[in-house]
Amino acid sequence: GQQLNQSPQSMFIQEGEDVSMNCTSSSIFNTWLWYKQDPGEGPVLLIALYKAGELTSNGRLTAQFGITRKDSFLNISASIPSDVGIYFCAGGDSGGSNYKLTFGKGTLLTVNP
Amino acid sequence: KAGVTQTPRYLIKTRGQQVTLSCSPISGHRSVSWYQQTPGQGLQFLFEYFSETQRNKGNFPGRFSGRQFSNSRSEMNVSTLELGDSALYLCASSLGDVGNTIYFGEGSWLTVV
Repeated sequence: GQQLNQSPQSMFIQEGEDVSMNCTSSSIFNTWLWYKQDPGEGPVLLIALYKAGELTSNGRLTAQFGITRKDSFLNISASIPSDVGIYFCAGGDSGGSNYKLTFGKGTLLTVNP
Repeated sequence: KAGVTQTPRYLIKTRGQQVTLSCSPISGHRSVSWYQQTPGQGLQFLFEYFSETQRNKGNFPGRFSGRQFSNSRSEMNVSTLELGDSALYLCASSLGDVGNTIYFGEGSWLTVV
């Protein structure tokens, strides 16, 4: 089945620093999504990407859908303590009428005030 | 606009028992999908329902089943529970068309003892 490689697995940074994480796949995806999950909660959508090459921002967050459709990255600028959490990438496979997400293993972000 | 609602939030079951989890999607959403999240395997797709029909299925044994009602609410059932079924079960809803954004609920924490 499809698999996503998400890196890094974890990051420990100082408040104010920029952060970058990425996902790569051996398969093509039709959409790329980035979610953040806080402890005990469900994933919350941060950015959705629907077109190869698309670059989208949401406040301090910026994500891009790779040209090859096999990768995506997420950047967080000027990190703050509330950015702490697990960030997941997800590739959307919309073949036919089906729609399911394949998730990366997540990047655990810790921000030191 | 109310989000995806899952009940119960927490439950403990004994090995061999069965469990039913419930999900109410965002109003107007016709697609409901279910995911299992564990520390070792991450987020894994179980199945997706659209208009009361299972439209897509992941690689889980037949002990895992689901259904969707005419009001789009969905239930998933796990029979003959095993210790390894302990996980966070997440429900997600979307409008159901290819490329629509998927929104997650807070999840149901299942512990099997």
